[in-house]
Amino acid sequence: ETGVTQSPTHLIKTRGQQVTLRCSSQSGHNTVSWYQQALGQGPQFIFQYYREEENGRGNFPPRFSGLQFPNYSSELNVNALELDDSALYLCASRTGTGRNTGELFFGEGSRLTVL
Amino acid sequence: EDQVTQSPEALRLQEGESSSLNCSYTVSGLRGLFWYRQDPGKGPEFLFTLYSAGEEKEKERLKATLTKKESFLHITAPKPEDSATYLCAVQAGANNLFFGTGTRLTVIP
Repeated sequence: ETGVTQSPTHLIKTRGQQVTLRCSSQSGHNTVSWYQQALGQGPQFIFQYYREEENGRGNFPPRFSGLQFPNYSSELNVNALELDDSALYLCASRTGTGRNTGELFFGEGSRLTVL
Repeated sequence: EDQVTQSPEALRLQEGESSSLNCSYTVSGLRGLFWYRQDPGKGPEFLFTLYSAGEEKEKERLKATLTKKESFLHITAPKPEDSATYLCAVQAGANNLFFGTGTRLTVIP
């Protein structure tokens, strides 16, 4: 069983640039969510995708956008990067049905530094 | 407004010294409370789900309990490999988890 994989693991960008982060969900999981984790903080929910549609969004501006593909992999795009966007970006997957919707399988994250 | 507060922020224990981590929460309509473990530079790893007051779950040296206002993660006779940050989260809406800032546990041999 393949777990959640994310790429790249680390990247450095400058303010104003755009970034795309990628995630392959765990085998059999059709729901993907993205979280932002600043240093010393807990993860914050960005949005969730189910069957290629966004079906939940946290308190993040529209310059944070995403996609989910037919194979359930996903992308997170951030435009017009700001210094405060520096964080660990976590992708998590789960099955889309059942009661246990909080039992997420996380990848190891993409560490973004904005200079 | 949904809120999750974890205490203490950091905890140092001697190997074998049992203790408890606290997670107090305010959420309208709790749909589930979750505990995760996070090692440095890694993503969180799911540990437990609790749904109703009085519920308890156990796994090896860890036991999670839930009341109407808080949850405890009890660690019995910890080992150095239990060192990690322990995160508590509540299910706040249909599709997202609301996390606390975690307790960083260090177990000294």
